[in-house]
Amino acid sequence: AQKVTQAQTEISVVEKEDVTLDCVYETRDTTYYLFWYKQPPSGELVFLIRRNSFDEQNEISGRYSWNFQKSTSSFNFTITASQVVDSAVYFCALSLSGGGSEKLVFGKGMKLTVNP
Amino acid sequence: DTAVSQTPKYLVTQMGNDKSIKCEQNLGHDTMYWYKQDSKKFLKIMFSYNNKELIINETVPNRFSPKSPDKAHLNLHINSLELGDSAVYFCASSQGGRTGAAKNIQYFGAGTRLSVL
Repeated sequence: AQKVTQAQTEISVVEKEDVTLDCVYETRDTTYYLFWYKQPPSGELVFLIRRNSFDEQNEISGRYSWNFQKSTSSFNFTITASQVVDSAVYFCALSLSGGGSEKLVFGKGMKLTVNP
Repeated sequence: DTAVSQTPKYLVTQMGNDKSIKCEQNLGHDTMYWYKQDSKKFLKIMFSYNNKELIINETVPNRFSPKSPDKAHLNLHINSLELGDSAVYFCASSQGGRTGAAKNIQYFGAGTRLSVL
């Protein structure tokens, strides 16, 4: 079965702290894609990053960085020097390749609150 | 211009009514989706369409009927609304065909908050 687990449901930090959001996935497929989405209080879902299963290189984009480790089936997301605008619900998601049934399987989301 | 637009943004209705949510994308994508987000924020796919053809129907009650008049539009019609249908419904779209679409980024609309009283 394909599954995404975000064990943390809610985290509260003070501005400028670093915070890591954990994501663990399960799949038997060798080809798959991992995503992070952000849902700010306004409600829309914003795409942040996509990673394929063959690319374990970590990625940094400004204050955001992602650590993909196939050995532990994890795709963790770190926000450095958090800001109030980072307050949102963050979703990790898994997408599978093949046969016409591609879909995103989401984790339950992690609510991040960054306090001034 | 909004890439994936849904209307209405809010929908309040009585149990037993029939309602529709419309979705349009101007990204030129081939595949569109409906997701449901429940009160605990859990997101789950309901349907996907590729070039007007139904691809995924994720054991959704048949009171929910998606309609895709063309590949840029995917509407959701709900009959005999129930209290449990209250949720936020998201439309999304992605590039690509039936095979290999998994790699494609799904872009979401702003959501429609449905409240059934």
